Amino acid sequence: NAGVTQTPKFQVLKTGQSMTLQCAQDMNHEYMSWYRQDPGMGLRLIHYSVGAGITDQGEVPNGYNVSRSTTEDFPLRLLSAAPSQTSVYFCASSYGQTTDTQYFGPGTRLTVL
Amino acid sequence: AQSVTQLDSQVPVFEEAPVELRCNYSSSVSVYLFWYVQYPNQGLQLLLKYLSGSTLVKGINGFEAEFNKSQTSFHLRKPSVHISDTAEYFCAVIMYAQGGSEKLVFGKGTKLTVNP
Repeated sequence: NAGVTQTPKFQVLKTGQSMTLQCAQDMNHEYMSWYRQDPGMGLRLIHYSVGAGITDQGEVPNGYNVSRSTTEDFPLRLLSAAPSQTSVYFCASSYGQTTDTQYFGPGTRLTVL
Repeated sequence: AQSVTQLDSQVPVFEEAPVELRCNYSSSVSVYLFWYVQYPNQGLQLLLKYLSGSTLVKGINGFEAEFNKSQTSFHLRKPSVHISDTAEYFCAVIMYAQGGSEKLVFGKGTKLTVNP
């Protein structure tokens, strides 16, 4: 099993550009989520999904879109990047419930100029 | 009020000393509690979790945590730390969102530095 994979590892964008951060898992996990990590702020939940076709907002959803068309994939879209979105982004997944162990990807470091 | 509060942002200790990383949670959230660890330039991995049962929970790498309902705390402890324990530690709790869905919310983290 590859576990949770994220691409790209690094990305530099200009203000106003759009992009999609990819996240995939091969563990047949139902629950997937996106977090951003900023110094002194810990991890903040952006969006999460309890299964294919179902998504919900977390603590900091503004400026981000998600969709979950398959169990394996949970992409995060930035429609118009802003410098405030400079951060490290982590995708996580778990088998069925939030009480299950979350498995994290290696992260994507995004810089918006 | 924050759902989960980690009282110390940085904790320096010497090798082989005991350590306690403090975490308090809001009484308005669930009592499903977790500690995750992040080693430099890596993602997070689970150290331990409390869902029910014994209030003393043992995890990987010699860590343990005690759930204290009256003090709404879930402090992480290790009796003797190693250099390799240098990492950032996150306390997390499950919150119930409107509509009944659950989400995992993290504290701001505590950076543990173990010095020789």
